[in-house]
Amino acid sequence: AQTVTQSQPEMSVQEAETVTLSCTYDTSENNYYLFWYKQPPSRQMILVIRQEAYKQQNATENRFSVNFQKAAKSFSLKISDSQLGDTAMYFCAFMKYSGNQFYFGTGTSLTVIP
Amino acid sequence: DADVTQTPRNRITKTGKRIMLECSQTKGHDRMYWYRQDPGLGLRLIYYSFDVKDINKGEISDGYSVSRQAQAKFSLSLESAIPNQTALYFCATSDSDRFSYEQYFGPGTRLTVT
Repeated sequence: AQTVTQSQPEMSVQEAETVTLSCTYDTSENNYYLFWYKQPPSRQMILVIRQEAYKQQNATENRFSVNFQKAAKSFSLKISDSQLGDTAMYFCAFMKYSGNQFYFGTGTSLTVIP
Repeated sequence: DADVTQTPRNRITKTGKRIMLECSQTKGHDRMYWYRQDPGLGLRLIYYSFDVKDINKGEISDGYSVSRQAQAKFSLSLESAIPNQTALYFCATSDSDRFSYEQYFGPGTRLTVT
């Protein structure tokens, strides 16, 4: 079975600063996908960014970028120029290429302080 | 209009009652999923379906059943609700034809069993 670990239950960051959320995973698979989802207080799950394991280049989406270290099985999310709207729970998720389900981490609650 | 809808959005029920949560999607996706979210545990998969005739148990299926009435509809039932089934329930969809396998989530149903 795959496991996804988010070791930071809560984090805070000053508005306009940069913050990094950690995620590690355990798998014997070589090909897989990794995702970061955001859950604001509205509780809607929103995809932030995804990474294919075969791609060496780190994914970026505007202010969001990842640091994907395949050998270390690490997939951290960096949020630059933090905004108040970034306040949310963030979940890391893993899926095998041949897989049929996501494996989610336990989440990191991020608060952006004005 | 939302692509993935869930009804009801909130529900309070008593121990022993049968309850059904419904999910509909207009995205045309073939795959549908039910998750539950508990504080500190992230999202865990209850059941998933890859087409109308395909139903599979997830990580925590005990006490739950599902029905895939059509490609667009996937219902979750609690035959005899118990208090530890109090949680936030999410329906999600994905498209097997899309390489990314991204999952799209409904708005969630907050269920309280008293």
